[in-house]
Amino acid sequence: AQSVTQLDSHVSVSEGTPVLLRCNYSSSYSPSLFWYVQHPNKGLQLLLKYTSAATLVKGINGFEAEFKKSETSFHLTKPSAHMSDAAEYFCVVSVGGGTYKYIFGTGTRLKVLA
Amino acid sequence: NAGVTQTPKFRILKIGQSMTLQCTQDMNHNYMYWYRQDPGMGLKLIYYSVGAGITDKGEVPNGYNVSRSTTEDFPLRLELAAPSQTSVYFCASRQTSGGGNTGELFFGEGSRLTVL
Repeated sequence: AQSVTQLDSHVSVSEGTPVLLRCNYSSSYSPSLFWYVQHPNKGLQLLLKYTSAATLVKGINGFEAEFKKSETSFHLTKPSAHMSDAAEYFCVVSVGGGTYKYIFGTGTRLKVLA
Repeated sequence: NAGVTQTPKFRILKIGQSMTLQCTQDMNHNYMYWYRQDPGMGLKLIYYSVGAGITDKGEVPNGYNVSRSTTEDFPLRLELAAPSQTSVYFCASRQTSGGGNTGELFFGEGSRLTVL
């Protein structure tokens, strides 16, 4: 069965310092993995996705994530946090098997301190 | 391009009332989804549809119904509202792809429902 675990419910960083949001997954298939961002009172927006091409995936707003099969991880990073990065971030894995369904992590709320 | 549009954005219901959350997309996507978001719980799938006339249950379908008469519209109906249905509801859609689950989900801005 597919599952996804976001290891931190809250992360606080200072502006200009690196961001690391951790995600581990479990999948019976070769997974597709996604990171979405949700700003307050808004819908979710795709940051980046891994679909079995390059293991280092670059997304919008300077974010990137590395797919590590041996560690079953897909951590999200950014070299330098900006105040506008404060939001909730969701790691998502596709269920696979032609079902076209997705499993969402419980989210990590990122706080950026001035 | 409007994308995915949800109405209403906010609604307060009394216990036992019924209502319909509307969702429309203008991207000609075959796949559409309804999720509910509760604090600390991520998003849970209520129902989904792979095309007009085809719907299926997700993880948490009890207390809800859907229909899909057109490609554009995917309304979610709440019958006999209960306090447990207080949540934020998101509609999403994605393109049909040739295979696999690599498609990006496009989300509406959500409908915040309170049942008192």
